[in-house]
Amino acid sequence: SAVISQKPSRDICQRGTSLTIQCQVDSQVTMMFWYRQQPGQSLTLIATANQGSEATYESGFVIDKFPISRPNLTFSTLTVSNMSPEDSSIYLCSVEETFTSDRSYGYTFGSGTRLTVV
Amino acid sequence: GNSVTQMEGPVTLSEEAFLTINCTYTATGYPSLFWYVQYPGEGLQLLLKATKADDKGSNKGFEATYRKETTSFHLEKGSVQVSDSAVYFCALRGSQGNLIFGKGTKLSVKP
Repeated sequence: SAVISQKPSRDICQRGTSLTIQCQVDSQVTMMFWYRQQPGQSLTLIATANQGSEATYESGFVIDKFPISRPNLTFSTLTVSNMSPEDSSIYLCSVEETFTSDRSYGYTFGSGTRLTVV
Repeated sequence: GNSVTQMEGPVTLSEEAFLTINCTYTATGYPSLFWYVQYPGEGLQLLLKATKADDKGSNKGFEATYRKETTSFHLEKGSVQVSDSAVYFCALRGSQGNLIFGKGTKLSVKP
């Protein structure tokens, strides 16, 4: 299965600043997904990143706040911009292992970035 | 749209007790279904999956059967251990390729 290296693992940031989170996958993947997990909550999809095109954002998330880059098939970054304490969450990237014949065989997740905004 | 409704916790059990965590879904067609587990301080791990109706996923003594008649994918384990204490998430594959998660169920197992 794919292995994802996600950096940084945690950070404490001042409000109004920005943080860029990186995910490196050890194999080529078409789509990468970015999720947010607020304290004690489930995971919410922020956006889907495809190589060579703009990311697709979910309702409630905008590109100016969460710009995403996808320069190649193994790498992506998510930036949390102009941060406020409400942005304090765990951010995770994910890739799908295999999808064939309308069946998915699982997803791999990065280890997460625990962000605290003060 | 697609959604997952999961039994909310927390759930507290004694060691060796039987575990059921209910999960039902709403979806177009028959998407792949998953249970993920998040141990304290760790990342998300795939626990088990089922890719088509009537499939049974199993791993580490946990089982779940894809029931299209009841649109359910309940997680069961016959005898829980303290080491099973974690948060469990039911999820389905959405039409755009992403996972759609339930709210998660926190399980605490006491010795």
